[in-house]
Amino acid sequence: NAGVTQTPKFQVLKTGQSMTLQCAQDMNHNSMYWYRQDPGMGLRLIYYSASEGTTDKGEVPNGYNVSRLNKREFSLRLESAAPSQTSVYFCASSVRTKPATNEKLFFGSGTQLSVL
Amino acid sequence: DQQVKQNSPSLSVQEGRISILNCDYTNSMFDYFLWYKKYPAEGPTFLISISSIKDKNEDGRFTVFLNKSAKHLSLHIVPSQPGDSAVYFCAASAKGAQKLVFGQGTRLTINP
Repeated sequence: NAGVTQTPKFQVLKTGQSMTLQCAQDMNHNSMYWYRQDPGMGLRLIYYSASEGTTDKGEVPNGYNVSRLNKREFSLRLESAAPSQTSVYFCASSVRTKPATNEKLFFGSGTQLSVL
Repeated sequence: DQQVKQNSPSLSVQEGRISILNCDYTNSMFDYFLWYKKYPAEGPTFLISISSIKDKNEDGRFTVFLNKSAKHLSLHIVPSQPGDSAVYFCAASAKGAQKLVFGQGTRLTINP
């Protein structure tokens, strides 16, 4: 009963390095999301994908790219990491494709990223 | 522009007493509200939700109250237990929107 799986759990990068955070869900959910959590800021949406083949920007998309590889997988890429991207990153998924007012998210356990 | 605000970063409550966590919002288009609970090194997990057509929703020890005129919601935990120690996030969504907007979180500590 894996739910939402994120890899890696921890990562340290140097400024300018690139990396991809992986996320996979086994609940046959249509929508997937990437959030970042920073102290005093709560969870802020980076990108989301309402269905396979579509992606949209959230609140804080600058410096990131995403790929919805298939229905199960949604990756987040940092092309040139910056110290401001030090954060905890959470992937999430939900059932519906259509906008819905009762959307419940299921989260992965997070990736703690430090950019030096 | 923080549309969902949790003004108390932390709250400490004695075991067995009531815990009350508060959340304010500014967007009048929000019509669905959720509370998530987060333990260290884990992702947030859904706790309870409420639609704007209601003013109260209960689930066991957890009750959420919604005051639309004040744009305020609160989560009551009665009685509080040590396992309730966690960070609690409130979140809101607007009709027709795909996305949830989260508050900053409140760290609840239950003291024995």
